[in-house]
Amino acid sequence: GQNIDQPTEMTATEGAIVQINCTYQTSGFNGLFWYQQHAGEAPTFLSYNVLDGLEEKGRFSSFLSRSKGYSYLLLKELQMKDSASYLCAVRDSNYQLIWGAGTKLIIKP
Amino acid sequence: NAGVTQTPKFQVLKTGQSMTLQCAQDMNHEYMSWYRQDPGMGLRLIHYSVGAGITDQGEVPNGYNVSRSTTEDFPLRLLSAAPSQTSVYFCASSYRVSGANVLTFGAGSRLTVL
Repeated sequence: GQNIDQPTEMTATEGAIVQINCTYQTSGFNGLFWYQQHAGEAPTFLSYNVLDGLEEKGRFSSFLSRSKGYSYLLLKELQMKDSASYLCAVRDSNYQLIWGAGTKLIIKP
Repeated sequence: NAGVTQTPKFQVLKTGQSMTLQCAQDMNHEYMSWYRQDPGMGLRLIHYSVGAGITDQGEVPNGYNVSRSTTEDFPLRLLSAAPSQTSVYFCASSYRVSGANVLTFGAGSRLTVL
């Protein structure tokens, strides 16, 4: 079966750095996405990785290792507004998205 | 652009009732989809459409119907509501960014079936 694993919940301090991991086992791979979802709101697109390596976008970076079936989202200089759930999704060989259950990130002052 | 507009935002149904969740987008996106989101689970695809007149089933299509008569509209019909359909429903359309098909989601519709 296809599976995406993420930690259920993480806590970090304002101003710090946090890394949210995502491991996947899917039938084929055609890209990995990270979305942010604030409580009661819709998911919004953060990043896309299809090749190995690091993609940086301001305070957010996303890393991919296809050989290890692994990705992480790195958030720097955490702000209170970063409190949200972070969803990892993988596009499989049929170009269908397989979603993880999400990681709820709690930021403390 | 309004983006993806979903209505209603909240709905309570009794078991056996039917209803339609409306979804409209004004971005001329060909691809549209419906997901449900349940606690502790990833988003699950119900139905999707790659263009007007074309629809297909996703991972959890049972109990739901869709149609796509125009590029803009993609309504989701619950035929006979069951408590297992209590969920948050998201409509999404897709655009292409740097080789990736990125989803733009509506604000969501929270459905409770009693």
